[in-house]
Amino acid sequence: AQSVTQLGSHVSVSEGALVLLRCNYSSSVPPYLFWYVQYPNQGLQLLLKYTTGATLVKGINGFEAEFKKSETSFHLTKPSAHMSDAAEYFCAVSFSNTGNQFYFGTGTSLTVIP
Amino acid sequence: EAQVTQNPRYLITVTGKKLTVTCSQNMNHEYMSWYRQDPGLGLRQIYYSMNVEVTDKGDVPEGYKVSRKEKRNFPLILESPSPNQTSLYFCASSPERTGIYEQYFGPGTRLTVT
Repeated sequence: AQSVTQLGSHVSVSEGALVLLRCNYSSSVPPYLFWYVQYPNQGLQLLLKYTTGATLVKGINGFEAEFKKSETSFHLTKPSAHMSDAAEYFCAVSFSNTGNQFYFGTGTSLTVIP
Repeated sequence: EAQVTQNPRYLITVTGKKLTVTCSQNMNHEYMSWYRQDPGLGLRQIYYSMNVEVTDKGDVPEGYKVSRKEKRNFPLILESPSPNQTSLYFCASSPERTGIYEQYFGPGTRLTVT
């Protein structure tokens, strides 16, 4: 069963423009939510995560995401895209009642146009 | 240097020939996990381990085996590989048993089964 959905497998933005990558999840229990980034020919690294507390979370490299329970969403944003942001981005979810199994989205490839 | 290492990085093999992909971490992490990455499917969890001698199935465990005899090592075993196991494999580790703190990923192993 699909537990996390990323809308848009490819997103292109101009350098300096807003970056918005979408992630929705399905869960009947409180989720733990993550965004990971993968640069070419590398493993993944954590950008940010939501477990409990403040619903707006800030991560590395100027990215942030907001957990919206009513919309079951955890969209990733960055006010101004940089060329170095070009990468594959993965949303992931784990659940508070299992905490050990992870479900990743299918990924969004971000292209930054000079 | 704190890291997750995988060997080999590239492997081409034939159907039915048993193989092992090793994963080792030097961070004394509790949680370890294996994922496969396929185009259009994102990452899918194969197996995970919360501690020595404790392993559990992820989303796609069929055709794979794992063991966790030592804290630092978590090998992935394909007893009889098939072409549908051609994929990019990632090992990851995390300090806590649940994995929700942050997962640190290895560099990946690209496996081709002919």
